Amino acid sequence: SQTIHQWPATLVQPVGSPLSLECTVEGTSNPNLYWYRQAAGRGLQLLFYSVGIGQISSEVPQNLSASRPQDRQFILSSKKLLLSDSGFYLCAWSVTGTGEFFGPGTRLTVL
Amino acid sequence: DQQVKQNSPSLSVQEGRISILNCDYTNSMFDYFLWYKKYPAEGPTFLISISSIKDKNEDGRFTVFLNKSAKHLSLHIVPSQPGDSAVYFCAAKRGGSQGNLIFGKGTKLSVKP
Repeated sequence: SQTIHQWPATLVQPVGSPLSLECTVEGTSNPNLYWYRQAAGRGLQLLFYSVGIGQISSEVPQNLSASRPQDRQFILSSKKLLLSDSGFYLCAWSVTGTGEFFGPGTRLTVL
Repeated sequence: DQQVKQNSPSLSVQEGRISILNCDYTNSMFDYFLWYKKYPAEGPTFLISISSIKDKNEDGRFTVFLNKSAKHLSLHIVPSQPGDSAVYFCAAKRGGSQGNLIFGKGTKLSVKP
């Protein structure tokens, strides 16, 4: 069966510090991978998606970036965090004909 | 422009009664619709889906209805249980496997004992 892991579960970072969130998927090959953010009082906002290694599409311009160094690994990064980057970050995967399956999420607080 | 709308931010229902969660969409190209359930500090969990070629899909206590002419879908939970209390997200996609999900803002359901 497929599983998806995200870490860390919670993170508190100062403004201007770097960020690296990691997501890995097990039990499937060549999945589509996604990063979403849920900010306070808002729905789920798609940030990045990837259909293969090294292929990243950005949905929302911001100071975040994503990379996919391996088939089942997806990384969300920032060089300098902003207060507005606080939120609940969710990694998800899908394959042909399915909806997205979500990981447990990372709660990021930028102070 | 919000393509998927959940106009009720919250809903309160008595245990044992029916919960009806509504969702409207504007893009007629959407061909696949899903409902997700989310508890605080957890990732959303897939609940039920429906293809645009159907108007109803049922799974246990959960039924999703799709009205394409009205661009409206609804999730019915019968009977509602306290454990159903969560935020429910409606989502839609188009274009098969390459389509990305577009989510509504969610409806918080509270089921009172």
